[in-house]
Amino acid sequence: AQKITQTQPGMFVQEKEAVTLDCTYDTSDPSYGLFWYKQPSSGEMIFLIYQGSYDQQNATEGRYSLNFQKARKSANLVISASQLGDSAMYFCAMREGPEGNTPLVFGKGTRLSVIA
Amino acid sequence: EAGVAQSPRYKIIEKRQSVAFWCNPISGHATLYWYQQILGQGPKLLIQFQNNGVVDDSQLPKDRFSAERLKGVDSTLKIQPAKLEDSAVYLCASKSGGASYNEQFFGPGTRLTVL
Repeated sequence: AQKITQTQPGMFVQEKEAVTLDCTYDTSDPSYGLFWYKQPSSGEMIFLIYQGSYDQQNATEGRYSLNFQKARKSANLVISASQLGDSAMYFCAMREGPEGNTPLVFGKGTRLSVIA
Repeated sequence: EAGVAQSPRYKIIEKRQSVAFWCNPISGHATLYWYQQILGQGPKLLIQFQNNGVVDDSQLPKDRFSAERLKGVDSTLKIQPAKLEDSAVYLCASKSGGASYNEQFFGPGTRLTVL
């Protein structure tokens, strides 16, 4: 079974609008962390936001927020006020277990295109 | 703070040839990861080091791939002999400390094309 599922291969959004990128995860471990990374065409992976399984509040980082619904095992990324520079691949990833050094498991990604 | 460095950025080889990639993590980061990212997919872990010891190499094709991290700093990943399906971007990442919320910092990657 897929650990991380991103069902949207591609998304389009108008500049200055908000967009939600979907991510569902599968784990039986009560302790886990969820991450979103951005990968521009240049190839580097840029960390955006983190949500821990025990965090009571949804994480926010500037224009990025994570809509964490634990019972539904979803961790959707919301980008507000989209900018042209937001056009990139976006990956949802999970770290399972309490150990902070366990590797990340990534989804297949969503390609976001921001239209002027 | 300098980021994760990788070289070369691009490499083109023919199948059955050998190739090596180099990674220099962020100073002080004890944990180092090598990921393989095939076109259209997310990165997949190949091997994880803690200092100079291997923590997880369960997904490393050991018949052709090898990696080392001498002195717990720089790391090299080697493929010998390469196959067509090894064409991918090889990403190196490093992480400090053991806190679960600490993110992994990624290098720019090495794009390998096997002809």
